[in-house]
Parts: sequence; C-alpha cells; structure tokens
Amino acid sequence: EDQVTQSPEALRLQEGESSSLNCSYTVSGLRGLFWYRQDPGKGPEFLFTLYSAGEEKEKERLKATLTKKESFLHITAPKPEDSATYLCAVQAPYYGNKLVFGAGTILRVKS
Amino acid sequence: DAGITQSPRYKITETGRQVTLMCHQTWSHSYMFWYRQDLGHGLRLIYYSAAADITDKGEVPDGYVVSRSKTENFPLTLESATRSQTSVYFCASSEVWGREQYFGPGTRLTVT
Repeated sequence: EDQVTQSPEALRLQEGESSSLNCSYTVSGLRGLFWYRQDPGKGPEFLFTLYSAGEEKEKERLKATLTKKESFLHITAPKPEDSATYLCAVQAPYYGNKLVFGAGTILRVKS
Repeated sequence: DAGITQSPRYKITETGRQVTLMCHQTWSHSYMFWYRQDLGHGLRLIYYSAAADITDKGEVPDGYVVSRSKTENFPLTLESATRSQTSVYFCASSEVWGREQYFGPGTRLTVT
C-alpha cells in the first residue's frame, strides 16, 4: 500500500483553466510536507514546505494547503510553462524523519 | 554558485561492472542523500550522510556503497551492476535535517 499517494497521475489543462493536485498520506505525526516541481531531464526543484494543518503557502500561480491527511496544490490560471511533474514528500517519525515521496502528478498545460 | 553537481550525466555499463556516480555540493551542507527514481515508484532513498564519515542506509541500499571523506563529496558506487539498477539517480543536500533538500541534475544509468 502506497504511503504517499498523489492524484491524478496525469492532468491536462487548457491555459487559464485552474485546478488542484492532491497528495494524501496515511502516517501520523507529520513533521513536514514538501512540494517539488520537476522538469523533464532535471532534478526536483523545491517549492514549499507545510508543517501544520491549516497552513497555506503561495508562489506566483501556485498555492499549497495542508489538512490532517492531505495536501492540495492549487494552480490558478496556469500557463504552458507550468507544465511539469509535481512531487510531494512527507516527513514523519514513522519514516525516521526521512522524506518519503509520492509518484508525482504530470501536469500538461496547453495554450 | 554551482550548487550541486553530478557526474556523469549519462552512463551505460554492463552487468557485473563496478560504476561510481559522483556528487559534489558547494554549499557546505551537512546532509547529503542519494535517491533513485523509477517510473511508478517516485524517488526512493538509497543512502544518506549526516557529515563526513557518517553514513546510513535508506529504503533501498542493497547493491550500493557510499563514502563521504569530505563534506562536499558523496560518491555512490554500484559494486557489481545489475539490470535492476537501471534508473535515474539523484543526489541531494540539506543544511538542516528535516528541511528542504536541494537536488542535483541527475545521472541516467543504463545497465545492459
């Protein structure tokens, strides 16, 4: 059973069509939830860290939110340059406080 | 500011050969990590290091060896490569345990 689940696996949007990506986790005692962006052929690029339920962080067209067992990455009015794979990772004592990554959501934004 | 670099970027090797992937960071971060990324599995931790001469196993350490004689370098060695080790390997570093990690560009390794 996946410990960190991201959905959908892939998402196609038209430019300007807002949507959300989901990251859910089963572990208790969350220490931090991390969002990364990964472009093809490159390493993941850090976006946000969320530490507690109710916390929100924003960067340009992206806003990350956290509830008790899931996080959402909201993309407002996306542009083609937002196309990438978005990864989330969970840090918790159950994992020795190491990061455990989800499989990612592949986002394609068409103009 | 070079950040974190990996070499080689691409490598093809044969089953049974030894291969070493290099990782170098210029930030003097204490923590360094090796991950492999495979379709459908996301990033999985192979080994990590808290400082020079301190290393520990991650989720998938079998078949890999690491060393860290200097803070800035963290090489990963496959002692006898197998086809199942065909993957993209990422090195990462972090200043503080539990904080964000910064990733290198990756090494695509193919074992034939």
